[in-house]
Amino acid sequence: DIQMTQFPSFVSASVGDRVTITCRASQTIEDWVAWFQQSPGKAPKTVMYRASTLENGVPVRFSGSGSGTEFTLTIDTLQPEDFATYYCQQYKSFPWTFGQGTRVDIK
Amino acid sequence: QPQLQASGPGLVKPSETLSLTCTVSGDSINNGNYYWGWIRQPPGKGLEWVGNIYSSGLTYYNPSLESRTSISVDTSKNQFFLRLKSVTAADTGVYFCARGNVWKSPWVWGQGTLAAVSS
Repeated sequence: DIQMTQFPSFVSASVGDRVTITCRASQTIEDWVAWFQQSPGKAPKTVMYRASTLENGVPVRFSGSGSGTEFTLTIDTLQPEDFATYYCQQYKSFPWTFGQGTRVDIK
Repeated sequence: QPQLQASGPGLVKPSETLSLTCTVSGDSINNGNYYWGWIRQPPGKGLEWVGNIYSSGLTYYNPSLESRTSISVDTSKNQFFLRLKSVTAADTGVYFCARGNVWKSPWVWGQGTLAAVSS
């Protein structure tokens, strides 16, 4: 199985800050990575796919990068609605696997 | 965007079978561009992929669950299903159904349903 190591597990930030979350794959997965945002009690929402393609309707302050084994999700100018937990997922090969999650909290 | 709604019994006894339904609206489950899947989340924990079914009928399951898992489709009702046999407390969690596109977003998420395993 491909392991997805996500860090940090917790980020404390303020509105207007820039936040970067990283996922490292245990083997190369090209750009088959997606990022999801989950607010408490809600279903996840897709933010990014194919590492750097913004899902429809997601604000452009979200950006993704990386290929191979290292990937980042960056949120520029953090907004109140961005405080949530973020997960990466590889879908290069089965079984598809998720990172452990990064909680972005208000400082 | 399609709407997906997961539903199920809510409470299942240990060793019994958990049966969940995902009802799809706004899209045909027959659409060959998509696959349909289940992802689960234990209380307070992260996401775990359970399995996918493709329009060809091909299925892929998480090896950790494969011996107990079955995903199927009823095209006449535009629904797909998850059956998980011999459940234990470790199977307790919210189960999300979702639609994926091989060349675009891997998941359009539906609303989840809570499944609790308890006697």
